[in-house]
Amino acid sequence: NAGVMQNPRHLVRRRGQEARLRCSPMKGHSHVYWYRQLPEEGLKFMVYLQKENIIDESGMPKERFSAEFPKEGPSILRIQQVVRGDSAAYFCASSPLQGKIDGYTFGSGTRLTVV
Amino acid sequence: AQSVTQLGSHVSVSEGALVLLRCNYSSSVPPYLFWYVQYPNQGLQLLLKYTSAATLVKGINGFEAEFKKSETSFHLTKPSAHMSDAAEYFCAVSDPGGYQKVTFGTGTKLQVIP
Repeated sequence: NAGVMQNPRHLVRRRGQEARLRCSPMKGHSHVYWYRQLPEEGLKFMVYLQKENIIDESGMPKERFSAEFPKEGPSILRIQQVVRGDSAAYFCASSPLQGKIDGYTFGSGTRLTVV
Repeated sequence: AQSVTQLGSHVSVSEGALVLLRCNYSSSVPPYLFWYVQYPNQGLQLLLKYTSAATLVKGINGFEAEFKKSETSFHLTKPSAHMSDAAEYFCAVSDPGGYQKVTFGTGTKLQVIP
């Protein structure tokens, strides 16, 4: 039973390029959450998605960042025109049906480096 | 809004000594509380959770935490530290009436000294 799969594990982009981070939730989990972890900081909530719906994007920067969770395939976090300040670890988590608190299952993260 | 505060960004203990990592929460409703552990270059792993049942919660790897409403605390303890416990620990809170959005503390890095 595979856990939450994130890829790539490491991603290097030049300033101005686009970064695409992928997340496949655990089997049976229909809720996906993205968090960003900056050096020496905790995890900051970015966005919560269900299949084909963005439920809460209150933590997403207003520009350059977008997320989707299509009916088929993984959830994608997309960062356009990356800047140095986007360098961070991006974690995806999934959970089962809403209202069932079991805590999140996290992926191993994608470490984005912008050069 | 819910939040957690972790006291001490770095904690050092000797191998075999008691581990105590502090967490205080702020919530307008009885919360769900969690402790996660993160090893270097890895994701977060759930250690234990409090979801309004027993106030003393036992988790994996010999860790436990006690929910104290009067102190708004959920401190993590382990009687005897092991070298393998060296990691970063995150306290987290969620609103049981919400959609499971979890808010994390800033983390405490635990160093275990041989």
